[in-house]
Amino acid sequence: GEDVEQSLFLSVREGDSSVINCTYTDSSSTYLYWYKQEPGAGLQLLTYIFSNMDMKQDQRLTVLLNKKDKHLSLRIADTQTGDSAIYFCAETTSFSGGYNKLIFGAGTRLAVHP
Amino acid sequence: EPEVTQTPSHQVTQMGQEVILRCVPISNHLYFYWYRQILGQKVEFLVSFYNNEISEKSEIFDDQFSVERPDGSNFTLKIRSTKLEDSAMYFCASSGIRGGAAKTQYFGPGTRLLVL
Repeated sequence: GEDVEQSLFLSVREGDSSVINCTYTDSSSTYLYWYKQEPGAGLQLLTYIFSNMDMKQDQRLTVLLNKKDKHLSLRIADTQTGDSAIYFCAETTSFSGGYNKLIFGAGTRLAVHP
Repeated sequence: EPEVTQTPSHQVTQMGQEVILRCVPISNHLYFYWYRQILGQKVEFLVSFYNNEISEKSEIFDDQFSVERPDGSNFTLKIRSTKLEDSAMYFCASSGIRGGAAKTQYFGPGTRLLVL
């Protein structure tokens, strides 16, 4: 069945780059997303990438997609303490019927220290 | 910027009681969803809803669960007889129908349900 895997924890120093990795199993995935969850808060959409793209950049965020290896990464440049949160990778398959369901990874807890 | 809202933010209930979780999706969206996240576990899909009917539901979404769009703005999740294992954070989401970005799901802040 569909599955999304992420490493559970990442610790980085403030100002360094963070790279959060994700692998997925569904080869028919069409969109892949990164959501951020701060303590006690909901899921904030950070960025997404369509499966026919290799890379997408949005300010400090860079998403890389290796469709052959079913590997997705999120790079955060110049990581700040405010970036400390849980980052969820999610994938969805084709949008037949218009709706879709997201399959989430377990989340990577990013800790940024001075 | 439009956002999805949910009420209440926290709900404590006794086992066997009925609860209704409420959501106001983004106003021009047409697809609505419920997800849940048991503490320390993955966010899991429960149900999707479009045009006043369920589009897809997961195995979790059994006969104890129901969804409704009672008016033009609210979207509700009802759990008829709560069990201890229903304790979780419940997220509502909505999405549009056209274009890639419009199909992206936007989530509410969640309702934390605790069943005692």
